[in-house]
Amino acid sequence: QQPVQSPQAVILREGEDAVINCSSSKALYSVHWYRQKHGEAPVFLMILLKGGEQKGHDKISASFNEKKQQSSLYLTASQLSYSGTYFCGTEKSGGSYIPTFGRGTSLIVHP
Amino acid sequence: GAVVSQHPSWVICKSGTSVKIECRSLDFQATTMFWYRQFPKQSLMLMATSNEGSKATYEQGVEKDKFLINHASLTLSTLTVTSAHPEDSSFYICSASPTGTGGVGYTFGSGTRLTVV
Repeated sequence: QQPVQSPQAVILREGEDAVINCSSSKALYSVHWYRQKHGEAPVFLMILLKGGEQKGHDKISASFNEKKQQSSLYLTASQLSYSGTYFCGTEKSGGSYIPTFGRGTSLIVHP
Repeated sequence: GAVVSQHPSWVICKSGTSVKIECRSLDFQATTMFWYRQFPKQSLMLMATSNEGSKATYEQGVEKDKFLINHASLTLSTLTVTSAHPEDSSFYICSASPTGTGGVGYTFGSGTRLTVV
């Protein structure tokens, strides 16, 4: 079952922060995040495996609330290069490791 | 890092012809690869799971006779769109994971934009 992402779209000015949420109705084994630029394939950002796990790179970080079956992606001090569509992907606990993707969140960063 | 190469990047073909798209894992072996279809501004729709040495597993609603998948080696999966029609025009993307057992994220090919005229 497809995870639910919110919001559908975010418009920011450079330097502002954004949060993108991803939730599932099923118990999750993992949550992963991707960014897709227009006309290109998605690029893997990070994966979270353990409940309570948080990780990040540069000014993009994510958390995984296993009990709530939710994950959030945090973009701090957004840069123009952050623009794109962000997808969360999930793998169910006890599943066959087939990733399912949310509908995506379009992020636009203006100068 | 894991690299997945997909060819061609784009193809324009005439209605009724067949098109083959290749997906290669360059620096790892992939017993499982996934094929997706993506319409403009929409999410990735899983079409099928490609399994090395066995038949692909198709998602509900995907015609297996139209979208032929072959996973002949641990590094190559191909998707052939047979008797293509304009409604098959889309962005097709493959992905693979180095472990095949989840938990490490997936690397995507660069995608193939198919236009059927």
